[in-house]
Amino acid sequence: DGGITQSPKYLFRKEGQNVTLSCEQNLNHDAMYWYRQDPGQGLRLIYYSQIVNDFQKGDIAEGYSVSREKKESFPLTVTSAQKNPTAFYLCASSISPDYSNQPQHFGDGTRLSIL
Amino acid sequence: AQTVTQSQPEMSVQEAETVTLSCTYDTSENNYYLFWYKQPPSRQMILVIRQEAYKQQNATENRFSVNFQKAAKSFSLKISDSQLGDTAMYFCAFIETSGSRLTFGEGTQLTVNP
Repeated sequence: DGGITQSPKYLFRKEGQNVTLSCEQNLNHDAMYWYRQDPGQGLRLIYYSQIVNDFQKGDIAEGYSVSREKKESFPLTVTSAQKNPTAFYLCASSISPDYSNQPQHFGDGTRLSIL
Repeated sequence: AQTVTQSQPEMSVQEAETVTLSCTYDTSENNYYLFWYKQPPSRQMILVIRQEAYKQQNATENRFSVNFQKAAKSFSLKISDSQLGDTAMYFCAFIETSGSRLTFGEGTQLTVNP
């Protein structure tokens, strides 16, 4: 079955440490997205990529970095510059930025906490 | 910039009854798409229903329907015959036809009581 796989499900970060969240999709989608969700809040866009080797900052990109070397993969690195990383992180994909009527498909998320 | 507002942080409904969740948005665009997503306790985001702004007919998906009022920029979700499995956070989302990113509302936590 096609879908989006996020790993790990739970992740702990020490002070000053960078951590990377994995997101893989086998839906052959061009566009991929990273969102952050805090308790009682909606989804805020961190980064998105419309095509391989290209990505754009979202609303809260500071302290995060991404890469898009393969169509299937869009890893998110939470750097030590992100002072409040504790949140639920969701990865999503959509067929193409040219088809905005098509819904985004989401992974099951990664919960990141600070040790 | 587009904004999406869900003014009801929490709602509850008795099983088998009908409930309506509100959503308003702000845009200067004429062509766009609207979505309702559901996030149950498992935290997985699931598409519930979508509406194309150029279509006057309200979208329906089984027990879920929308009331789309383009002039008022309103996009409410009606859930009929509520079931316990409908308990979830519901998010309204907006994207321009030419856009590349969704804008989400803050969410409404719906609890269906037995």
